[in-house]
Amino acid sequence: EADIYQTPRYLVIGTGKKITLECSQTMGHDKMYWYQQDPGMELHLIHYSYGVNSTEKGDLSSESTVSRIRTEHFPLTLESARPSHTSQYLCASSEWGDYYNEQFFGPGTRLTVL
Amino acid sequence: DAKTTQPTSMDCAEGRAANLPCNHSTISGNEYVYWYRQIHSQGPQYIIHGLKNNETNEMASLIITEDRKSSTLILPHATLRDTAVYYCIAMFSETSYDKVIFGPGTSLSVIP
Repeated sequence: EADIYQTPRYLVIGTGKKITLECSQTMGHDKMYWYQQDPGMELHLIHYSYGVNSTEKGDLSSESTVSRIRTEHFPLTLESARPSHTSQYLCASSEWGDYYNEQFFGPGTRLTVL
Repeated sequence: DAKTTQPTSMDCAEGRAANLPCNHSTISGNEYVYWYRQIHSQGPQYIIHGLKNNETNEMASLIITEDRKSSTLILPHATLRDTAVYYCIAMFSETSYDKVIFGPGTSLSVIP
């Protein structure tokens, strides 16, 4: 069973607030990812990381930022939340490999910005 | 990475086999086919993957055509808990970066 955790699971917050969504994994995976998914819609990659001190932007432009100071931790930050940021945010991790390795997903954080 | 196409939705009677097709006509020789599913509001869950041989695990079977241009995920005895969106992905990572494109997937409804 995958050991990847996200907190909070649900967050309702007012416009302009700074928020940090937490993601941690205990599998020692070097690769970590953040996806954004609106209800009933596709997943979109917004950030990824190869390892400590490595972060890259994904396909979908996002005003969020990420950091990777520790292997197990990949937090996502919104400096000033807006209603357009309302969505579900999913974190995932995977191992290194010669080919694509399966991604393990966390339960997600459902964010609502009022 | 190869683009995949899947039907938007499918129904399956409970207890029957669910056969979910996926077309990946532009797949290259070193690209694997992966299947994930996402149950409502949860994170996607890995199901199975394969290169050219048929594969089976405790969750499902994966049948890949000889020309590798299409595949079928088989859930042998579908239950109500198998109701989910199923994603077919074809890709290969030669570098450290593997960008996964999930696409819209197939919404499977298992009917009592």
